Amino acid sequence: KAGVTQTPRYLIKTRGQQVTLSCSPISGHRSVSWYQQTPGQGLQFLFEYFSETQRNKGNFPGRFSGRQFSNSRSEMNVSTLELGDSALYLCASSARDSNEKLFFGSGTQLSVL
Amino acid sequence: EDQVTQSPEALRLQEGESSSLNCSYTVSGLRGLFWYRQDPGKGPEFLFTLYSAGEEKEKERLKATLTKKESFLHITAPKPEDSATYLCAVQASTGANNLFFGTGTRLTVIP
Repeated sequence: KAGVTQTPRYLIKTRGQQVTLSCSPISGHRSVSWYQQTPGQGLQFLFEYFSETQRNKGNFPGRFSGRQFSNSRSEMNVSTLELGDSALYLCASSARDSNEKLFFGSGTQLSVL
Repeated sequence: EDQVTQSPEALRLQEGESSSLNCSYTVSGLRGLFWYRQDPGKGPEFLFTLYSAGEEKEKERLKATLTKKESFLHITAPKPEDSATYLCAVQASTGANNLFFGTGTRLTVIP
């Protein structure tokens, strides 16, 4: 059974640009969550989608947005990139209507120059 | 406000030297406490979920315990392959499903 797949693996952008990251959950999983991981702050929750609906959102500015498609695949978008957006962005999926036992992808490492 | 504090930040052990990692938490009603392992360049890998004080779970050399204020991850006779960052996270019973993570303990086991 394939795990959570995130693309691209690495990304380099400059300030002011926008970026779209992609996540394919484990087959059959309907819940997808996104987290930002930085050395100083650890993992911080961005948002969660379930059946194409955003159920929960973390404390991030509106420049961070996401969506989920009917096949449960999800994308997140960051507009007007800032240097502080450099981080590892992790996607996680879970089978049921809760965050129990999240399965994480390997992440997208975003560097903003 | 939900808060998770892990200690120590880093730990170096000789192979076979047992120790414990600590996770102190403050949450408005605990739905679950989670332990994950993260290897360099990879996403976190699920280890355990604990739901109530007094609960314990074991997996190979790892044992997780839970009290009303903290959780411990005990590592018995560790091996070099146990080297990783161990993350603790809590899920509140407020209705939201997100996990609130600590910053982790980086464990190095020396052969």
